[in-house]
Formats: sequence, structure tokens, C-alpha cells
Amino acid sequence: AQSVTQLDSQVPVFEEAPVELRCNYSSSVSVYLFWYVQYPNQGLQLLLKYLSGSTLVKGINGFEAEFNKSQTSFHLRKPSVHISDTAEYFCAVSPLGQAGTALIFGKGTTLSVSS
Amino acid sequence: GAVVSQHPSWVICKSGTSVKIECRSLDFQATTMFWYRQFPKQSLMLMATSNEGSKATYEQGVEKDKFLINHASLTLSTLTVTSAHPEDSSFYICSEWRVNEQFFGPGTRLTVL
Repeated sequence: AQSVTQLDSQVPVFEEAPVELRCNYSSSVSVYLFWYVQYPNQGLQLLLKYLSGSTLVKGINGFEAEFNKSQTSFHLRKPSVHISDTAEYFCAVSPLGQAGTALIFGKGTTLSVSS
Repeated sequence: GAVVSQHPSWVICKSGTSVKIECRSLDFQATTMFWYRQFPKQSLMLMATSNEGSKATYEQGVEKDKFLINHASLTLSTLTVTSAHPEDSSFYICSEWRVNEQFFGPGTRLTVL
């Protein structure tokens, strides 16, 4: 079975500051890893995903994440945030080779960007 | 553009009534779709896996007689909340896999009075 732990429930940050949202996972098999963003009353939008290859993954809106297999982590980073980045962020995993299975989500991190 | 649509986006109903939520796959034949439920300030919890032409698979603790899922075609899955009660008020989201990525619908906000 797989599980996902998002280490911070809320992250307040000032505009133009860097941010890191932390995600750790547990799995007995290899996994695909995802970060999604959710704005109020909307569905989920994919920020980035790690399937294989380079451990540094670049996504949309200037976000990137690094897969660390030894630490079972997939932390999301952005060097300079904007007010518009205020949203809920979810880390998720799916067992490798089982693309038809549902995602397992972390509890989410609320990113609040203020001026 | 959107690849998964949901209808309605927002519904308010009286306690005891039934509500149907539609999830459509756009330009893709989805043999499997997923239904999630999200309570305020919480994460998404898988309710059931909808399989085209067969019975849905429900997660533990989800009442299959209350949350009826029908996947009659490769582009449409429906979730019917029967005899809705205020505790069923939530955000319901469907999704599908397409080539190593899961796409989500925009969600349906259900409020039961």
C-alpha cells in the first residue's frame, strides 16, 4: 500500500519569496509522483509529474520538484512566488505500472502569498 | 482546454431527494473513471472506480446503494446520490487516466438542505 504525507498544512509566505512545499511518500513498489494545484471551488490542475529519468522535474507556473528516492521525498519549490499562487497544493502517488489505478493524495498544503 | 467535464457545477437540493452528477470524457474513450469526494479543507478521498459496462468498485465505507454509479458508455459516468442528507454535502470530482496522467473534472458542489 502507498501513503503520502505533506509535512506542512499551511505555508504563509511573502510575495517574491522562495517557497518549498514538502511531500514524503511510503510505498513498497516504485511509484509515479504528482503535484496538483486546486483553486477555490475548482478541480485539480497538474503542476508536474515524475515518471522516470531526471530527478529534477520542471512544471508549469515556474514550479519544480525533485525526486529523492533514498529519502522518499518529492518536494515542490518555486524561487519567487506571486499572489496568484495562493491555492491548495496536493502531492499524490500512483503505483508504477498501474496507470489505471486511482491516485493517493496527501492532505494538502495551503499556500498563502501576501504582499 | 478541458478534457473532463462535469455537470452540474453546483447543485442545492432538499434532504431526501436524489441528485445525479454527470462526468464526461471529452475526445477520449475512458473505460475507467474515478469518483472522489472532498470535504471542506480536506483532501480528496476516492469513493469508487467506475468501469464501463460493469459494476463500479466502491471503497470501504462508501455505501454503494446510496452512491449509485453508472458507466454506460465510454464517455459518460454518472454518480447519483440517493436520499441525500446534509452530511452528503461535499465537493464531488471525477477523473480519468490518459497516458500516465490523471485528468480531473472541475467538480460539483453539492449542498443538501
